[in-house]
Amino acid sequence: QSVLTQPPSVSGAPGQRVTISCAGSSSNIGAGYDVHWYQQLPGTAPKLLIYGNSNRPSGVPDRFSGSKSGTSASLAITGLQAEDEADYYCQSYDSSLSGSDVFGTGTKVTVL
Amino acid sequence: QVQLVQSGAEVKKPGASVKVSCKASGDTFSTYDIIWVRQAPGQGLEWMGWISAYNGNTNYAQKLQGRVTMTTDTSTSTAYMELRSLRSDDTAVYYCARVYTYGYSFSTVNAFDIWGQGTMVTVSS
Repeated sequence: QSVLTQPPSVSGAPGQRVTISCAGSSSNIGAGYDVHWYQQLPGTAPKLLIYGNSNRPSGVPDRFSGSKSGTSASLAITGLQAEDEADYYCQSYDSSLSGSDVFGTGTKVTVL
Repeated sequence: QVQLVQSGAEVKKPGASVKVSCKASGDTFSTYDIIWVRQAPGQGLEWMGWISAYNGNTNYAQKLQGRVTMTTDTSTSTAYMELRSLRSDDTAVYYCARVYTYGYSFSTVNAFDIWGQGTMVTVSS
């Protein structure tokens, strides 16, 4: 069981804005640790999408943005496109598990 | 551009061991850390552990302690993950990834910027 909880699925029409939440606790996000986000297209390895809560690696469109507040974080996708249909995972660090990196439960984004 | 290329798919019987390799190219291997992540069919990502290619230090997930060993060979720029006493629930795609260090403050958390293509390990009698 992951300590970071995400909604199983979100959906939106092309061009719309969707957000994905990542709920943690005082031993991970709430402790001040950064959050990263990954996109996993079907049958492929994950890709780093957002690092350090809100930073985009080179090549990631600015349609993707991240934020963090308190014990949770969010990923927003604006101007949703068909190619954004994928699984998305948040990731942070948890001090209660003998110190380990942890992934969220994952969210499937469907473009209607 | 750094690339990580993993070894091919494996089929193992329960109780056996598997060793997956992850060969790096395009950068100085000993300057970064490698993590291993697995993904069971239809499931999410599970962090397995971390190894420093610089000094071999490791940190394993608690649930895998005693069954997993991560090593590196800097002469061939290759990282290895060995999992022993395999069970059916170890059936998964296993990924290696490079740790990306973007800062050095308290809040800095390992990010994983370069991933291998994945290795399918099937455990079945």
